[in-house]
Amino acid sequence: EVQLVESGGGLVQPGGSLRLSCAASGFTFSSYWMHWVRQAPGKGLVWVSRINSDGSSTSYADSVKGRFTISRDNAKNTLYLQMNSLRAEDTAVYYCARDADYIDAFDIWGQGTMVTVSS
Amino acid sequence: EIVLTQSPGTLSLSPGERATLSCRASQSVSSSYLAWYQQKPGQAPRLLIYGASSRATGIPDRFSGSGSGTDFTLTISRLEPEDFAVYYCQQYGSWTFGQGTKVEIK
Repeated sequence: EVQLVESGGGLVQPGGSLRLSCAASGFTFSSYWMHWVRQAPGKGLVWVSRINSDGSSTSYADSVKGRFTISRDNAKNTLYLQMNSLRAEDTAVYYCARDADYIDAFDIWGQGTMVTVSS
Repeated sequence: EIVLTQSPGTLSLSPGERATLSCRASQSVSSSYLAWYQQKPGQAPRLLIYGASSRATGIPDRFSGSGSGTDFTLTISRLEPEDFAVYYCQQYGSWTFGQGTKVEIK
């Protein structure tokens, strides 16, 4: 079964750090670009970051640039999001998603992990 | 940056009715880059439509997408109880999403 499973969310104080993980299974992880998308409570979907298949190229939304770092370990079939200098406005459910470039859409999504930034 | 604006914000309909959701782009979008997703409460988004009009695997044919340029539409021909959810359009080129349309039971 093709699956993405996020972990690593939790409660963190403003200014703190957290690393999210996304474990992939059921497909050749190293062949796909991957993304992080977040959703603040009661709000819509917001794209956060993407990484290409071999990890050599990344992109970020302006709101997280310089604070978040996306990376991947293809040997471990795992995607990461290192989040530093966290702010209250980073509070959200964070989803990882597979980029199916052959259809130009995100075809597989994880169940999400909640990040709460609060003192 | 291309901005996607969805309308209406909320659509109140009864099961069996037809739903028409709009997604308007601030500048022209390649049709191949327009996708629609469905999200139910507490669940991850699910891909419905890609390339503006192609249904994703396993999506019932009551869902259809159309449009080009700056105006795109998602149509649900006859609403089933499980279709009441929030729907998002996405422009794949910059990966941005519209703000969503909630389809609620009237």
